This record gives sequence, structure tokens and C-alpha cells, in this order.
Amino acid sequence: DAGVIQSPRHEVTEMGQEVTLRCKPISGHDYLFWYRQTMMRGLELLIYFNNNVPIDDSGMPEDRFSAKMPNASFSTLKIQPSEPRDSAVYFCASSPRAGGYLTEAFFGQGTRLTVV
Amino acid sequence: AQTVTQSQPEMSVQEAETVTLSCTYDTSESDYYLFWYKQPPSRQMILVIRQEAYKQQNATENRFSVNFQKAAKSFSLKISDSQLGDAAMYFCAFFQGGSEKLVFGKGTKLTVNP
Repeated sequence: DAGVIQSPRHEVTEMGQEVTLRCKPISGHDYLFWYRQTMMRGLELLIYFNNNVPIDDSGMPEDRFSAKMPNASFSTLKIQPSEPRDSAVYFCASSPRAGGYLTEAFFGQGTRLTVV
Repeated sequence: AQTVTQSQPEMSVQEAETVTLSCTYDTSESDYYLFWYKQPPSRQMILVIRQEAYKQQNATENRFSVNFQKAAKSFSLKISDSQLGDAAMYFCAFFQGGSEKLVFGKGTKLTVNP
């Protein structure tokens, strides 16, 4: 398996523009997580899905952020409109469930977003 | 709420020496998983080692080992024979049994001096 695949690796956009980040999880993994990493706040969990259904989006900072998982092999995180404070590295991770527990999260390479 | 605390923002070690990174966590549950992830400058998150809370034996992966103190809710990472390639950010993380959230500490930046 190629691992978790995120695109793009880097994104530079102007304030006010819509940004869409993409993720392909590892095949067979039930869970998909979106994290944001900044120097100030570290790794924050934004939202996660179980079997394509959003379970907890309490970490999504504002209504400008939305995430979808239309099928088991694809998820998007959208920011509309983007603001400079959204600049961060966004990670997608997927995880299998084994024996009733989530035992490990596999991360993609991340997308570095810069909003100017 | 689950929390993970890494009290050392930065650490340094001489090549070939041993270093220990600290982590404490807070939970009221008895079943959970603990992890150390490494993030080199490439920013890829790499799993270093995992510990199941129900196991008393400390996990070991080659030069990496943990000191898991369940009663004290402490989970430190020991790196032996440090190598230049060990230089990275190290994150302690926590999966609580029955929960589906992987919670991270703020990280420790490790520098390895030649």
C-alpha cells in the first residue's frame, strides 16, 4: 500500500480564496482524521470520520472549515474563505480498528498551506 | 478531558549518548495506547514505538525503549546510542480505550550534536 496520500504538498493562496485539501486513506482503514499543526498550538484534531461518517467535528475552528468523505477512499477539507491565520500544515491520518481499539494512526505527508 | 504533557520543549544529546524524553498524560480509563511519533524536517509523522496500557512490560524497538509507569501516568522515551538521524520533533500521543481520538503533546525538539 502506498500509505496515506495527501495533495497538494504545498498550497499558496490569497486571502478570501477557497482552498481544498485532499486525502486518500489506506485501503481498509475505518477511520480518517484531519489534523492541523502550528507552532503555537501543536497538533490539533479538527475532525474525524468512521466509515465515511463524520463523528466529531468539535475541533473545526470555524464555519469556514468543512470536511467531507464521499467514499472510503477519499476525503476533503475545505476552507472558504481562507484567512492568513489558517496558514499551517494540515495532516490527514487513517487508522484501522483491531480488537475494539484504534491501535495506530498512519499519517500522510501533510499539506503546507500559506494564505497571503 | 484527555491531556498529554511534554515538559521539555527542547533537548540535546551528544552523538552515541543516551537521552530520555518525558511525557505525562491524564486519563481515568484503564485501557489505552500510548505512542511516540517522530517528525523529522521532512514533516512526515513516523511511529517510533507503541505501548499498550494493559502490558506491564516496557516496549522496545531497537535503540528506542519506553519507561511506562501506569500509576504515575508517565511514559518516557529513551534513545540509546543517539545518531544524527534521530534529530527531530518527538511527539507523545494517547489513544484512550473506547475513545477514537488520538491526542498529542506539544512535542520535544531533539538536537543531536556530533
